[in-house]
Amino acid sequence: AQSVTQLGSHVSVSEGALVLLRCNYSSSVPPYLFWYVQYPNQGLQLLLKYTTGATLVKGINGFEAEFKKSETSFHLTKPSAHMSDAAEYFCAVRTNTGTASKLTFGTGTRLQVTL
Amino acid sequence: DVKVTQSSRYLVKRTGEKVFLECVQDMDHENMFWYRQDPGLGLRLIYFSYDVKMKEKGDIPEGYSVSREKKERFSLILESASTNQTSMYLCASRINRGNNSPLHFGNGTRLTVT
Repeated sequence: AQSVTQLGSHVSVSEGALVLLRCNYSSSVPPYLFWYVQYPNQGLQLLLKYTTGATLVKGINGFEAEFKKSETSFHLTKPSAHMSDAAEYFCAVRTNTGTASKLTFGTGTRLQVTL
Repeated sequence: DVKVTQSSRYLVKRTGEKVFLECVQDMDHENMFWYRQDPGLGLRLIYFSYDVKMKEKGDIPEGYSVSREKKERFSLILESASTNQTSMYLCASRINRGNNSPLHFGNGTRLTVT
């Protein structure tokens, strides 16, 4: 069965610093991987996704993630954090059930950005 | 733009009450999902529906049921609410086209059971 592990429930960075949010997956088939962001009092919105092809995926708001099969990782990065990036971030892997595919989410990482 | 609307942002119910959480999407999506979100546990799938009148159990279906009578509407039902069902509930939908179409989420319903 597919699963996702997010290392670090809370990450704090200074404004302008590198953001690195870690995600490792377990999958018996080639995975489809996603990062979602949740701002306070809102639902989740898609940041980026990896399906096939290029392993470096660019998303919205300057975020990107690299799929590394050998490390079973899909870490999310942003070169320079902005105050508006403060949110909770979820990594997810697609699971096929035979009738409809569904997403299995990690436990989330809350990003704090300080001045 | 896809819009997924959850009818209530906040609900307070008493133990034993029957509770209905409603979700409507406006993009003719085949698949709809109900998740609950709890601190430290992330999102856990309760039920999903791959088409009208179709439903499947997710990872934590106990104490819940669902209804999908129309394509745009997916209801989550708590037959007899309990305090351990206090949580944030998130509805999502997606088009059933391949494996890479994303989920679109509503803003959530925060349910408190007292």
